[in-house]
Amino acid sequence: DTGVSQDPRHKITKRGQNVTFRCDPISEHNRLYWYRQTLGQGPEFLTYFQNEAQLEKSRLLSDRFSAERPKGSFSTLEIQRTEQGDSAMYLCASSLQLTGATEGKQYFGPGTRLTVL
Amino acid sequence: DAKTTQPNSMESNEEEPVHLPCNHSTISGTDYIHWYRQLPSQGPEYVIHGLTSNVNNRMASLAIAEDRKSSTLILHRATLRDAAVYYCILIKGNAGGTSYGKLTFGQGTILTVHP
Repeated sequence: DTGVSQDPRHKITKRGQNVTFRCDPISEHNRLYWYRQTLGQGPEFLTYFQNEAQLEKSRLLSDRFSAERPKGSFSTLEIQRTEQGDSAMYLCASSLQLTGATEGKQYFGPGTRLTVL
Repeated sequence: DAKTTQPNSMESNEEEPVHLPCNHSTISGTDYIHWYRQLPSQGPEYVIHGLTSNVNNRMASLAIAEDRKSSTLILHRATLRDAAVYYCILIKGNAGGTSYGKLTFGQGTILTVHP
């Protein structure tokens, strides 16, 4: 179990640029989540995948945000035309959700800290 | 969605027990009570969860009120490494027991542990 990894760990970009983050979940996990966390606040849900299907998107996920999970493995989160308000920690989590199982505990990665200048 | 209420902060001394309360007066019958914590500069980590009965694991204990309107996370002997933000989160389950999964974090409780 190598845990959830995220790349890059830090990203500094200028307003208006596009950025892409990658998340590699724990290998057998079928669910993958993206959250965003600003300073002093708890993480906020953005979207989640069950295998390769994106099942829910938060209202926080504007048209400038897009997430993919091709082949149900790693996932990417892209932000187009970044704004200063996008500055935050972007967290990825994965879980193994079995039908009928009560556990769905999520394992979080270390996050990608985005700074938009 | 049912909401949770936690104190903004709590303090403890090392090696003493810590009781972190959470109120969830609008909890529904299928909501599971989960606790996560977030250490400084890290992603959140799962601590414990339960539905109706008290639960114990190697990290902590979860005491759930009989009416399920409140719960308490118990750290039996706090260490400096337990200093973190603790989140109490309700997750909807269904009749089959599968939890919905999405975590809705509140502000959490900042736990400070003094040596």
